[in-house]
Parts: sequence; structure tokens; C-alpha cells
Amino acid sequence: DTGVSQDPRHKITKRGQNVTFRCDPISEHNRLYWYRQTLGQGPEFLTYFQNEAQLEKSRLLSDRFSAERPKGSFSTLEIQRTEQGDSAMYLCASSWGQGSLSEAFFGQGTRLTVV
Amino acid sequence: DAKTTQPPSMDCAEGRAANLPCNHSTISGNEYVYWYRQIHSQGPQYIIHGLKNNETNEMASLIITEDRKSSTLILPHATLRDTAVYYCIVRGGLNDYKLSFGAGTTVTVRA
Repeated sequence: DTGVSQDPRHKITKRGQNVTFRCDPISEHNRLYWYRQTLGQGPEFLTYFQNEAQLEKSRLLSDRFSAERPKGSFSTLEIQRTEQGDSAMYLCASSWGQGSLSEAFFGQGTRLTVV
Repeated sequence: DAKTTQPPSMDCAEGRAANLPCNHSTISGNEYVYWYRQIHSQGPQYIIHGLKNNETNEMASLIITEDRKSSTLILPHATLRDTAVYYCIVRGGLNDYKLSFGAGTTVTVRA
């Protein structure tokens, strides 16, 4: 399968623990995005990478959140000291383009439950 | 800060055409209309996009009004697998990499 891959698909963690999610974009896609989706809502933009550079972070991304994309390939999203409000689906997407519009392909998401 | 308005839900009979409306009265000249859908427990899936001309692909047709203030996504022969939340998104300008999802329209296709 050559689509966007996310791991794990589900994560249950205790409040206060750290969690890390991984996203493998479609090969050669230079743009990578993270979104968060809570129940009944549409996905909300969190952050965007072009190659290895993180070009935008939403105000939704508090200091407890950090995202990386070393070498412009896979990306990780880490949440430190998780809170119950962090429970959501975390979606990764990738696309190809530099300034031109191109469709984004989404992964299946990682569903996080903080108990 | 979604720029679109969609009905919250609609039903459609299997085998019939489903017409999904979207209002985007503040759309700018360089902004596109994109449609995505999200089947339960999956990531959003791209359907189609357009600027001002009508567009058609293997999944759907997109009809954009001449003033570009509204559009309609048409699923020509809805199947049960088309049951999903459909998002109409205006995209372009300086932040063209970003998708701003609203609440979408929950479409239920009934046998």
C-alpha cells in the first residue's frame, strides 16, 4: 500500500503520560500536515511541514505538543503530560507541491484516549 | 474559521443522485472549492475540486454557480458505501496548503 500510514491506530494512555505518534507520508510528497479531530467535528489544522521545515503551527498546538520531520521523510507528533482534553483522532496528510494547490491524502488516523 | 455553509444532514435513496449544496459567498477570485468526504473511522478522502468551471471525475460532479457564491456536489448514483460526512472547503490564497474543515454534511444513503 502506498498511501499515508499512521502508527499506532489506537492508543490508550493515562493522564500525565507522554505519547508519540508516527506518520509515513506518500513517498516523495514534500508536504506533510497534522490535524486533530474531536467527536462530531471536522478536522482542525495543527501543523505543516515542507520537507523538513516546520512552516506553521496552529495556536491549538500548545507547548506540550511537538512535531518533527527529520530528513523530510516520516514525521512524529509527541504529546507530553497528556490531558483528558487531548483525547481525539490525530490525522496525518501529505501532498506534493510548492505553492501550487494539490490534493492532500490522509492517513487512517491515530485515535488517542486519555484516561 | 470555515468559509462555507452546508446543511448538517441529508438522506438519499440508493441508486438515486445525491445533490449536496454548499454556500461560500465570501470566496475570493483565487480560491478553489474542494470537496472531501470522511467515512466513519477513516481519514478524509479527496473527491473533487474546481475554480469556476464545472468539473467531473469518476466519483462525482461539481457544479459552481456563475457568481461562485455556491456550489453543488453531485453523486450520480449513490450507493450505501457513499454514506459519509461530506466537507465543502474553500482553499487558496496565501495559505493554500491548509484545509479548513467545517462540520460538513452527514449523508445517509438508504436502501
